[in-house]
Amino acid sequence: EAQVTQNPRYLITVTGKKLTVTCSQNMNHEYMSWYRQDPGLGLRQIYYSMNVEVTDKGDVPEGYKVSRKEKRNFPLILESPSPNQTSLYFCASSPYMGGNTGELFFGEGSRLTVL
Amino acid sequence: GDSVTQMEGPVTLSEEAFLTINCTYTATGYPSLFWYVQYPGEGLQLLLKATKADDKGSNKGFEATYRKETTSFHLEKGSVQVSDSAVYFCAFSAGNNRKLIWGLGTSLAVNP
Repeated sequence: EAQVTQNPRYLITVTGKKLTVTCSQNMNHEYMSWYRQDPGLGLRQIYYSMNVEVTDKGDVPEGYKVSRKEKRNFPLILESPSPNQTSLYFCASSPYMGGNTGELFFGEGSRLTVL
Repeated sequence: GDSVTQMEGPVTLSEEAFLTINCTYTATGYPSLFWYVQYPGEGLQLLLKATKADDKGSNKGFEATYRKETTSFHLEKGSVQVSDSAVYFCAFSAGNNRKLIWGLGTSLAVNP
């Protein structure tokens, strides 16, 4: 089954404790992206990757890191989480963006709470 | 700059009512337009899209027409069901990297 898989789905952590949210897609997609969703603010892009070893900042990259060593994986790293990073996070992938399909495939989301 | 404006929710309807969710955009060039839907507890999924002026996207009884003259892409459904209760996001792709620009989402609740 074609899917985007995120882990963990739910996490409660404390300020400053490094964490990684994994994202894996099995569709051989070139493009991957991370979003956060907050009430009243909609979806905001954190980072995106057009292909392996190519990453770029989105609209709200502060406090986050990413890497794209393999095509299928795109982990989101919070080196020192803070309470303002409490949010619902989504990973998404797309076959390609140059072709202007705009169709993103989303994971089910990871709800992160930082105390 | 590029932006999307959607009608604010929540929208509450009775089953079989007619639905319209307004969406207008500000973009340079000729964007492709999208509606995504997010069911409770799930990620977003593409509902429909239109890639050029006057195109009509349709899926699951929902329709939206790309209106270049009014820069709009309003979502409609003739008869909603309880299972349509979700959050609906309007978006368009813009710029050289075709970044998606998102509206804030409109929550729809359909009562039996």
